[in-house]
Amino acid sequence: KAGVTQTPRYLIKTRGQQVTLSCSPISGHRSVSWYQQTPGQGLQFLFEYFSETQRNKGNFPGRFSGRQFSNSRSEMNVSTLELGDSALYLCASDGQSGETQYFGPGTRLLVL
Amino acid sequence: EDQVTQSPEALRLQEGESSSLNCSYTVSGLRGLFWYRQDPGKGPEFLFTLYSAGEEKEKERLKATLTKKESFLHITAPKPEDSATYLCAVQAGTSYGKLTFGQGTILTVHP
Repeated sequence: KAGVTQTPRYLIKTRGQQVTLSCSPISGHRSVSWYQQTPGQGLQFLFEYFSETQRNKGNFPGRFSGRQFSNSRSEMNVSTLELGDSALYLCASDGQSGETQYFGPGTRLLVL
Repeated sequence: EDQVTQSPEALRLQEGESSSLNCSYTVSGLRGLFWYRQDPGKGPEFLFTLYSAGEEKEKERLKATLTKKESFLHITAPKPEDSATYLCAVQAGTSYGKLTFGQGTILTVHP
């Protein structure tokens, strides 16, 4: 079974721009969660989608948003990028809440 | 608020020197406790899921145990390829899809 895939793997943007990251879950998984990983804050939960509905959201500003499509693929968008948004963005999928989440390789975002 | 604290922050071992990593947690209704391994620049790799106190799971040189307040990851006779950051995370019973992570333990195994 193919694992979680994320595109692009690397991205360089400048302050004020916006960015869209994509995540394809493991086949059959309907839940997708997004995380931000930085050296200072570690792994922090952004939001979770299940069957195209956002069921949970972390403590991030409204500049961070996401959506999920009918095939369970998910995208997250960050508008008006700030230097502090530089991070590794990870998505994870599982069959249903409480089961093991499997992570993708991440998208490394650098904001200049 | 759910909290996870891992210790030590970093651990250096000689090849073959067994040790344990600690994960202390507070959570409203534990749904699951998860251990992951992360290599530099990569996504976390799943190791174990534990659901209730007293549960134990093993995989090669690793063994994870769970009590009501903490979990241990025991590493027996480690090898240099076990060097990585080990992450512990919890999911609360009412929190869809949200894992709360500890800061991780950086393990280095010297040959």
